[in-house]
Amino acid sequence: GAVVSQHPSRVICKSGTSVKIECRSLDFQATTMFWYRQFPKQSLMLMATSNEGSKATYEQGVEKDKFLINHASLTLSTLTVTSAHPEDSSFYICSARAPGTEGEKLFFGSGTQLSVL
Amino acid sequence: AQKVTQAQTEISVVEKEDVTLDCVYETRDTTYYLFWYKQPPSGELVFLIRRNSFDEQNEISGRYSWNFQKSTSSFNFTITASQVVDSAVYFCALSGPSFYNQGGKLIFGQGTELSVKP
Repeated sequence: GAVVSQHPSRVICKSGTSVKIECRSLDFQATTMFWYRQFPKQSLMLMATSNEGSKATYEQGVEKDKFLINHASLTLSTLTVTSAHPEDSSFYICSARAPGTEGEKLFFGSGTQLSVL
Repeated sequence: AQKVTQAQTEISVVEKEDVTLDCVYETRDTTYYLFWYKQPPSGELVFLIRRNSFDEQNEISGRYSWNFQKSTSSFNFTITASQVVDSAVYFCALSGPSFYNQGGKLIFGQGTELSVKP
């Protein structure tokens, strides 16, 4: 079945550094991917919609310059947290829709736990 | 505006008990989609079910069943004869009519943490 791979699964970085998270659709092409953020014991909040070959669409309140999204190919979207600060520590998870007869299910990556020291 | 409410933050049951997770949604769309996902401790989201607004048939899949009632804007999830492996956070989610064309912008509920004790 369709798989979305997210890497790394866990990253610890120093405050002020940038961190890149990759989201790959392994056996299907995804023109659109989605990035969510989840704080401990809270819901997933959509951050942005990543569109292949064009600019990402950000949700209200999400800083475009801090969370850079690049969707350079039909199978890869990246989220870069720039100049990370402790308040950026969170669980980030991507999703992509796999077209097909299974009913356009959404598939989620396994998530990335970001800890900023 | 779209909203999903899962009023139960945490539920604890003993193995083999039945448990129902509540989900209430708000939307002005006439076409919409409802989902349930399971998030085990490892973090990934596991798809359980998608239901569109025009299909009010209840569904059963093994020990899982879903009760969709438009009259009360609810989409409740029942696990029969719960098992320890069912322990996870369960999310109910809602998407608007653009789901099929534009993909998965989902509005998630707050999640219900289910703990099944042996």
